[in-house]
Amino acid sequence: AQSVTQLGSHVSVSEGALVLLRCNYSSSVPPYLFWYVQYPNQGLQLLLKYTSAATLVKGINGFEAEFKKSETSFHLTKPSAHMSDAAEYFCAVSDPGYSTLTFGKGTMLLVSP
Amino acid sequence: ETGVTQSPTHLIKTRGQQVTLRCSSQSGHNTVSWYQQALGQGPQFIFQYYREEENGRGNFPPRFSGLQFPNYSSELNVNALELDDSALYLCASSSFSGNNEQFFGPGTRLTVL
Repeated sequence: AQSVTQLGSHVSVSEGALVLLRCNYSSSVPPYLFWYVQYPNQGLQLLLKYTSAATLVKGINGFEAEFKKSETSFHLTKPSAHMSDAAEYFCAVSDPGYSTLTFGKGTMLLVSP
Repeated sequence: ETGVTQSPTHLIKTRGQQVTLRCSSQSGHNTVSWYQQALGQGPQFIFQYYREEENGRGNFPPRFSGLQFPNYSSELNVNALELDDSALYLCASSSFSGNNEQFFGPGTRLTVL
């Protein structure tokens, strides 16, 4: 069975500071990994995905994530936070070939001026 | 290109009633998945439909059922509603031959009183 652990239900940063959201996964096969963002009262928007190509993945809005097999991690980073980045972020895992996703519990990113 | 749409946006029901939620998939997608997102939690997989048949199911009771139509749109039906069914219900469409990427609709907020 697959699982995802997101460390920290809330992360607070100042505008312009580094954003680091942590995600660790458990999977019996090499996984596909995803980061989604959810703004209040909206659905999920894909930020980036890892599908067994380059381990450093660049996404939209300046976000990137690095797949580290030895650490079973897929942490999300952004060099400089913007106020508009305040939202909830979900890490998800799936088996290659199966499109169903297993999500973590999410991390709420708070950005202060 | 039309994205994933869901209806209704909000719904209020009482315990014991039945509800039907609807989803139109993104153009070119033949697979629809449904997720339940309880308050403060990550989405949980309910089931997936491909070619009008159920193609996988999460840990949800049989009172959660679905349909997929020839145009790939889908319905989620929940019978005998319980208070714990209150949640945001998300529909996601994908291409079965794709790289697991799912595109989410805005969701239907169901409140059970």
